[in-house]
Amino acid sequence: SAVISQKPSRDICQRGTSLTIQCQVDSQVTMMFWYRQQPGQSLTLIATANQGSEATYESGFVIDKFPISRPNLTFSTLTVSNMSPEDSSIYLCSVPGPGTSGKETQYFGPGTRLLVL
Amino acid sequence: QKEVEQDPGPLSVPEGAIVSLNCTYSNSAFQYFMWYRQYSRKGPELLMYTYSSGNKEDGRFTAQVDKSSKYISLFIRDSQPSDSATYLCAMAVGGSQGNLIFGKGTKLSVKP
Repeated sequence: SAVISQKPSRDICQRGTSLTIQCQVDSQVTMMFWYRQQPGQSLTLIATANQGSEATYESGFVIDKFPISRPNLTFSTLTVSNMSPEDSSIYLCSVPGPGTSGKETQYFGPGTRLLVL
Repeated sequence: QKEVEQDPGPLSVPEGAIVSLNCTYSNSAFQYFMWYRQYSRKGPELLMYTYSSGNKEDGRFTAQVDKSSKYISLFIRDSQPSDSATYLCAMAVGGSQGNLIFGKGTKLSVKP
């Protein structure tokens, strides 16, 4: 399985500010995924980031709020913009696992724990 | 009705017990079924991965998929305190539409 690291591991931020989360993978992958895990809720996919193209956002998530960069095949960033307390969550990146299309199973990073005051 | 339902627990068992964790789902198009284990303050770790129906065994872990009942299970034999974690089920349709849909997770505690 892939080794995935995320920075920062946790942060406390003031409302109205932005935070950029980094995800680094130890192998080249075409697709990377960003998820949100809110307290007591299911992991929810925010967007899929393919290298060389615009990220694809899921319903309820917009680029202005969660801009994503994918400069190469081992790295991606997710920015949480203009934060409010409702953005307090764990943010996780993932990469494809076993499967045919690369989206059926995924390996996850350790997550970034964000608290917005 | 949510696409994937999972009892959040918490579930507490004595060491050595057999643990049964379950999820039900509503989308009959799901073909890929996964179980993840998530320790406190860690990311989800892929435990088991099954395509379509049937059973899959890996050491003390057995995953079962019953597509006719839209029901999946994870059995843990001879449970250990180190199995204490939150277990997440996840499913996908497959192909380019294969986004993972997760249950909320079941928190398991194995007491020594």
